[in-house]
Amino acid sequence: QVHLVQSGAEVKKPGASVKVSCKASGYSFTNYNIHWVRQAPGQRPEWMGWMNAGNGDTRYSQRLQGRVTLTRNASANTAYMELNSLTSDDTARYYCARVRYAFDIWGQGTMVTVSS
Amino acid sequence: DIQMTQSPSTLSVSVGDRVTITCRASQSVSAWLAWYQQKPGKAPKLLIYMASTLENGVPSRFSGTGSGTEFTLTISSLQPDDFATYYCQQYNSYWTFGQGTKVEMK
Repeated sequence: QVHLVQSGAEVKKPGASVKVSCKASGYSFTNYNIHWVRQAPGQRPEWMGWMNAGNGDTRYSQRLQGRVTLTRNASANTAYMELNSLTSDDTARYYCARVRYAFDIWGQGTMVTVSS
Repeated sequence: DIQMTQSPSTLSVSVGDRVTITCRASQSVSAWLAWYQQKPGKAPKLLIYMASTLENGVPSRFSGTGSGTEFTLTISSLQPDDFATYYCQQYNSYWTFGQGTKVEMK
């Protein structure tokens, strides 16, 4: 069974950073790209960036460029998303997703709440 | 950025109804178009990719058509499990989603 399992919910203060993990199982982690998508309450999903899990190459959304960093630990089959300088606008559920043709496997999501 | 616009935003329907959702792109995305179903508190689920290819395990009552800038998702006979929000997504140039269509009970 192919799964992506994400870390738990986070509550952060404005200006802080958050790092979310995404652990893959049931497939060869380095053979597929991993994307990160976030969804604020009641809003459409927003693409944040992607990472080549094989070589670590990344590409980021222009909107988040400079604030988001995608990394991975290939030996642990785990991808990470770090977002810094948080504001209340970053309150959302954050998802990792594997790309085969489209986003075929998704993590369960990690709720990040930014509140003072 | 390519903008994706869905219509309608909400559909009030009954079990057994035929449901059609439209997605328009601000410029051509060829056939690089996917459809997802999302239920409250859950991740989106891939239904269709390449505009018309059904993902493994998705019931055949779901179908997709279109290319270029106009696409449709059809549910031939709505089942109780199909009440959800549906999103289109282009992946011709980066990745952007439509605003969603909520399919609710009449």
